Amino acid sequence: AQSVTQLDSHVSVSEGTPVLLRCNYSSSYSPSLFWYVQHPNKGLQLLLKYTSAATLVKGINGFEAEFKKSETSFHLTKPSAHMSDAAEYFCVVRGSYSSASKIIFGSGTRLSIRP
Amino acid sequence: EPEVTQTPSHQVTQMGQEVILRCVPISNHLYFYWYRQILGQKVEFLVSFYNNEISEKSEIFDDQFSVERPDGSNFTLKIRSTKLEDSAMYFCASSEPSGIYNEQFFGPGTRLTVL
Repeated sequence: AQSVTQLDSHVSVSEGTPVLLRCNYSSSYSPSLFWYVQHPNKGLQLLLKYTSAATLVKGINGFEAEFKKSETSFHLTKPSAHMSDAAEYFCVVRGSYSSASKIIFGSGTRLSIRP
Repeated sequence: EPEVTQTPSHQVTQMGQEVILRCVPISNHLYFYWYRQILGQKVEFLVSFYNNEISEKSEIFDDQFSVERPDGSNFTLKIRSTKLEDSAMYFCASSEPSGIYNEQFFGPGTRLTVL
């Protein structure tokens, strides 16, 4: 079965420093992977997605993620954190090899930014 | 930019009452979903819907739940007899039939409070 594990429930960084949010996946085939962000009292917004075209995926707001099959990881990074990045981040995997499939959420990582 | 909308934003109901949560998916999308997020927990899949029928449902989606697409634009989730444990944020999502890498677009959510 498909699953994702987010290794940190809470990450706190200073403004202007790099961000690393870790995600490992389990999949019986080449996975479809996504990162979504949820700002307080807001809906879920797609940050980026892995489509197998490239292992380094660039998303919105300066975020990127690297797909590493050997490590079964899809970590999210950003070179320089901004106060507006404070939010909950979810690593997500498609549940099956179907375009209609559900997606499965990780438990989330809350990112806090210190001034 | 097209977006998924949900109404109401907040619904308060008494235990045992029926509630209907409404969603308007993006107009050219063909796959529709409901997810929920109990406070402090991960986002959970409830049901997917395609071609006027349920494609997949989770164990949570028991006989108390039903979905319907009553016209060409709305997609509803009905809970027949609400329980305290149904209190959660309910998210509607939709996606287009463009393959396994298509992302799901989420609405802002309906916060359901069962008293």
